[in-house]
Parts: sequence; C-alpha cells; structure tokens
Amino acid sequence: GEDVEQSLFLSVREGDSSVINCTYTDSSSTYLYWYKQEPGAGLQLLTYIFSNMDMKQDQRLTVLLNKKDKHLSLRIADTQTGDSAIYFCAALDSNYQLIWGAGTKLIIKP
Amino acid sequence: DAGITQSPRYKITETGRQVTLMCHQTWSHSYMFWYRQDLGHGLRLIYYSAAADITDKGEVPDGYVVSRSKTENFPLTLESATRSQTSVYFCASTLGMGNEQFFGPGTRLTVL
Repeated sequence: GEDVEQSLFLSVREGDSSVINCTYTDSSSTYLYWYKQEPGAGLQLLTYIFSNMDMKQDQRLTVLLNKKDKHLSLRIADTQTGDSAIYFCAALDSNYQLIWGAGTKLIIKP
Repeated sequence: DAGITQSPRYKITETGRQVTLMCHQTWSHSYMFWYRQDLGHGLRLIYYSAAADITDKGEVPDGYVVSRSKTENFPLTLESATRSQTSVYFCASTLGMGNEQFFGPGTRLTVL
C-alpha cells in the first residue's frame, strides 16, 4: 500500500525559506496535501495539489510535485516565528484514503 | 457553535478501565475519522465511518470500538485501556473522501 515519508525535523533562520520534503510510493495518488499542526491544536489544511499539476503557489507557500520521483515539497518563503508547527504531508491513495507522513517539526531560529 | 468538538480534552485513567472519547460535528459531514498521534508515527487511522451505522477499521483498530448512531456523533471507546493506548486522539470529519478533513482539538489520554 501507499507509504508517505518525511524527515522529522527542520531548523531554519527567521526570514529564510523553509523547504519541507515528502516522498510517497503510490503513483496513482490523485491528491497530495499539506496540513499544519500548531502546538496543542488539531491539524488544518494548508494547501493541496492535484496530481496533474507540477506547481502551486499561494502567497508565501509554493508546492512542487515531481511525479516521476514521487516527491512533494512545501516551500515557505520569509519564514516567520508563527510558522513554527508540525507539517504533515498526506496522499490520497487508490482507495480514497488519506495516508499520512509522520510530520516534520519546523523550528525557527532567531 | 459550528465545528467539530472533542471531549474530554484531557483524560487520565488506569489500565483495564473503559474509556469513551466523544466527537461531535455540526456540518452534517458524511465521513468521520478517529486518529491517534504518537511521536515518530504521525497520524494513524483507528476507525472511520462513511455514514450513520457504517463503520470500518483503519490501520490500528485493535482495542478500540466505535459506533455511529447519529451522523453528528462518533464516539470512540477503549474497552479495557492499556498503557500502549496513551496517546493524543484526533477526530476529523469531511464531506467526502479526498475533500479537506476538519480536525477537532484532540484528546490527550494517559493510561497509568
């Protein structure tokens, strides 16, 4: 079945760009998502990309999808302290179930 | 208030006790989910429901029971709690598979 992997931690300086990476195994995944979890809260959808797209931009967020390598990335420009959170990658598998990565904790250094 | 709520937010119980975690949503979403979140594992699906009276197992269903007699409620019961069930539990709902899932604030459960 589908497997989604991401590194557990990323540390960046305030003002720099953050790039969070994710790999998935099921090439038939139609939708790929990024969710954000702030401390002590549930998850919220940040953005998503459909499998026929290569890139999606939304203000400071850029999602890149490389279908050949089954690689998804989330770039946050001008990272702020408010971006400190855990970012989850999720893929919709062929059974229409969401398969989740373990989450990447983004740490912002002043 | 509209949205998805969970109760209690925090619960401490002892091994062997029965515990029920409540989830309530006001959007009339068809689908509801229970996840557990553990460090290093991300979110793991316990059970989900496609509609009232329709439930199905997820990745880690052992030791848990669910019911869905009403569309808006999806309680999760641990029939005999074990220490390995210490976790943060999230309920979520969505209109349809593939649509955005909306999450509750979570219940932190500690089993002593």
